[in-house]
Amino acid sequence: DGGITQSPKYLFRKEGQNVTLSCEQNLNHDAMYWYRQDPGQGLRLIYYSQIVNDFQKGDIAEGYSVSREKKESFPLTVTSAQKNPTAFYLCASSPGDKKETQYFGPGTRLLVL
Amino acid sequence: GDSVTQMEGPVTLSEEAFLTINCTYTATGYPSLFWYVQYPGEGLQLLLKATKADDKGSNKGFEATYRKETTSFHLEKGSVQVSDSAVYFCALSLRSGSYIPTFGRGTSLIVHP
Repeated sequence: DGGITQSPKYLFRKEGQNVTLSCEQNLNHDAMYWYRQDPGQGLRLIYYSQIVNDFQKGDIAEGYSVSREKKESFPLTVTSAQKNPTAFYLCASSPGDKKETQYFGPGTRLLVL
Repeated sequence: GDSVTQMEGPVTLSEEAFLTINCTYTATGYPSLFWYVQYPGEGLQLLLKATKADDKGSNKGFEATYRKETTSFHLEKGSVQVSDSAVYFCALSLRSGSYIPTFGRGTSLIVHP
């Protein structure tokens, strides 16, 4: 079955540590996105990529970095510069012909030790 | 800028009650409108969408009508079930540029037996 996978489901970060969240899709979608979800705040866009080897900052990119070396993969690194990383992180993708509809992964919950 | 406003939750109902979740929007162009649903601990799933005025989106007993005159896209269901308990997000997407959706803050629905 086609879909989006995110790993791990839970991730723990120590102070000063960088951590990387994985996002893989086998839907052959061109565009991929990372969102952060905090209670009562809805979804906030961190980064997005519309094509391999290209990506743009979203509304809250500070303290995060991404890469898009393959169409299927869009990993997100939460750097030590992100001072409040505890949140639920959602990866999404959208096809080239119906860009407005997004398909979401199951999410990764990041907690700070 | 573009924005989506949803009624605040939680909305608490008894099983078989009628559901309405209000959603209004502000957009600079002519958007497509969406409802996404998020079950506990999961990512978002597309529930229904409408792409032009007076269109009705429907799925799993849920309905929403695109009302351009009132800039609204209210979600309704005639008889809710316990399994409908989730967070519901209204969203809009302009059919140009990046196509990235603008999401509302989400409305939590709790259905009691």
